[in-house]
Amino acid sequence: GAGVSQSPSNKVTEKGKDVELRCDPISGHTALYWYRQSLGQGLEFLIYFQGNSAPDKSGLPSDRFSAERTGGSVSTLTIQRTQQEDSAVYLCASSLRSTSGKSSTDTQYFGPGTRLTVL
Amino acid sequence: AQKITQTQPGMFVQEKEAVTLDCTYDTSDQSYGLFWYKQPSSGEMIFLIYQGSYDEQNATEGRYSLNFQKARKSANLVISASQLGDSAMYFCAMREFFWGSARQLTFGSGTQLTVLP
Repeated sequence: GAGVSQSPSNKVTEKGKDVELRCDPISGHTALYWYRQSLGQGLEFLIYFQGNSAPDKSGLPSDRFSAERTGGSVSTLTIQRTQQEDSAVYLCASSLRSTSGKSSTDTQYFGPGTRLTVL
Repeated sequence: AQKITQTQPGMFVQEKEAVTLDCTYDTSDQSYGLFWYKQPSSGEMIFLIYQGSYDEQNATEGRYSLNFQKARKSANLVISASQLGDSAMYFCAMREFFWGSARQLTFGSGTQLTVLP
């Protein structure tokens, strides 16, 4: 079946502009995660959704970052007033569930990422 | 707090030989899972193998096996019969499973594996 998809694959924007990144998880996966990968910081967790709710927003680096998920499926990560330090690859992942402690349901499958460049 | 350590920034292996990528972890919880992902130059994170803390057998998936030593808190990935297509960055990751634990994965810094012809 189809994997996790993300769009756009690349985004170049000017400092101060807003950007929206989209993630379409694997069908039927209730848990969705956003991570950021940059050269200096490695892989950082941003936010986690269970269904449409976000019980864990602890990784969002500032209030310029927000995310929503609608219909228990597609998620959008929005970065307002982008800064150069926001340049990174933004990765989305989904899992069937997130609470069972079993690999079959908790394994996170990643999308191809969105490479964001802020000039 | 969770912590994953991968001490080998880069590794080289000859094609068809086996290679071990090291991973140690730190957790005070008894219930956790360890994951290995492969990230080729294309950028996508590909799930390779999973080991649960209560699993008695070491996990295996084709040419991948996980050498799990719970007392040492290590979860090394073994790739047998290396192929040129195995050249990639490899990440070890962990999450804890107790009630109220964070759901996200904590990643190590990665090991860049290069397979030589």
